[in-house]
Amino acid sequence: DSGVTQTPKHLITATGQRVTLRCSPRSGDLSVYWYQQSLDQGLQFLIQYYNGEERAKGNILERFSAQQFPDLHSELNLSSLELGDSALYFCASSPGGGAGANVLTFGAGSRLTVL
Amino acid sequence: AQTVTQSQPEMSVQEAETVTLSCTYDTSENNYYLFWYKQPPSRQMILVIRQEAYKQQNATENRFSVNFQKAAKSFSLKISDSQLGDTAMYFCAFMLRDDKIIFGKGTRLHILP
Repeated sequence: DSGVTQTPKHLITATGQRVTLRCSPRSGDLSVYWYQQSLDQGLQFLIQYYNGEERAKGNILERFSAQQFPDLHSELNLSSLELGDSALYFCASSPGGGAGANVLTFGAGSRLTVL
Repeated sequence: AQTVTQSQPEMSVQEAETVTLSCTYDTSENNYYLFWYKQPPSRQMILVIRQEAYKQQNATENRFSVNFQKAAKSFSLKISDSQLGDTAMYFCAFMLRDDKIIFGKGTRLHILP
């Protein structure tokens, strides 16, 4: 157990639907990162939050949005789902704070299948 | 632009052999941290080793070691006495002081019995 909790582990839904993926960071970590990994592909950076504020944005589609709440958990919302959104979505957390020595700890991922 | 390049998409070695995975990166920053992550078939991302750029001594974790060449912006991973459980995708990454982290596209490593 890495300490980063992601729910749900698996999700099957239909095109056009909306889903929410949830992440609880490791205790004490203030930064949360979201990544998308399609089958046999690398990690696509979506977005990063630090202590509730958006810190960096990657190639995140307009249909996707995220936020980090005061208790530091984060949610990734995916709407108007398309077949191509089927992927493994990772959340990772780090202590943050700009020291640069912060190791990313990954959750087990949420596997989304869009039919 | 800050990039990480892993030039070997896929590699195969026999069990017990030594294998080196290459990684080069590009940044104008002077202070950063380098990492190797492993993703086995379970798809869990696991930290293998990390290196502080200001340290000249190469990091070592049991059978895993790195060859860090700062001037050449090279950060290769050596796996000694490879085991079947080392079969995984390996990602090289570096993190800047603002916590921005850049990943390479990965090298898929097969350890053959």
